[in-house]
Amino acid sequence: DAGVIQSPRHEVTEMGQEVTLRCKPISGHNSLFWYRQTMMRGLELLIYFNNNVPIDDSGMPEDRFSAKMPNASFSTLKIQPSEPRDSAVYFCASSSSSYNEQFFGPGTRLTVL
Amino acid sequence: ILNVEQSPQSLHVQEGDSTNFTCSFPSSNFYALHWYRWETAKSPEALFVMTLNGDEKKKGRISATLNTKEGYSYLYIKGSQPEDSATYLCAFYFGNEKLTFGTGTRLTIIP
Repeated sequence: DAGVIQSPRHEVTEMGQEVTLRCKPISGHNSLFWYRQTMMRGLELLIYFNNNVPIDDSGMPEDRFSAKMPNASFSTLKIQPSEPRDSAVYFCASSSSSYNEQFFGPGTRLTVL
Repeated sequence: ILNVEQSPQSLHVQEGDSTNFTCSFPSSNFYALHWYRWETAKSPEALFVMTLNGDEKKKGRISATLNTKEGYSYLYIKGSQPEDSATYLCAFYFGNEKLTFGTGTRLTIIP
């Protein structure tokens, strides 16, 4: 298995533009997590899905952020409109169940100018 | 607010020495504790998943213990090597299926 796949690896955009981050979890994993890494807050959970259903989105900073998981092999995290304070590394992770070890993707480094 | 605390925040260890650091968590409503290793410019990798009080897990020179009654876990590294340099994160399930991460211990091995 190729592991968790994220794209793009780097994204540079201008304030106000829409940004879409993509994630392909490990095949057979039922849980998918989106995290954001910042200097100030470390690694924080934004949202997670079980069996494609969003379970907890309390970590999503505001309405500009949305996430979807239309099927078991694909998820997106969208920011619209983007702001400079959204600049961070965004990680996607998957696991075979909620409490098992999580496998992280390589991350997407987002820079909003 | 339920917090996962790790100490120390950073640590410099001479190559060949052994070291350990701590993860503290609320002792009530325990479900599971994870340890992750996070090298610079890479993504976190799981080391251990611990669920039972008294658990001891080992992977090569790295081992971990768990005390759920008093709310702490220790990570030990024996005979540190330069490749052990990384940030070590612990993460805790409070029972709501949401993993809460500590801020990590940044370990630097001095050759």
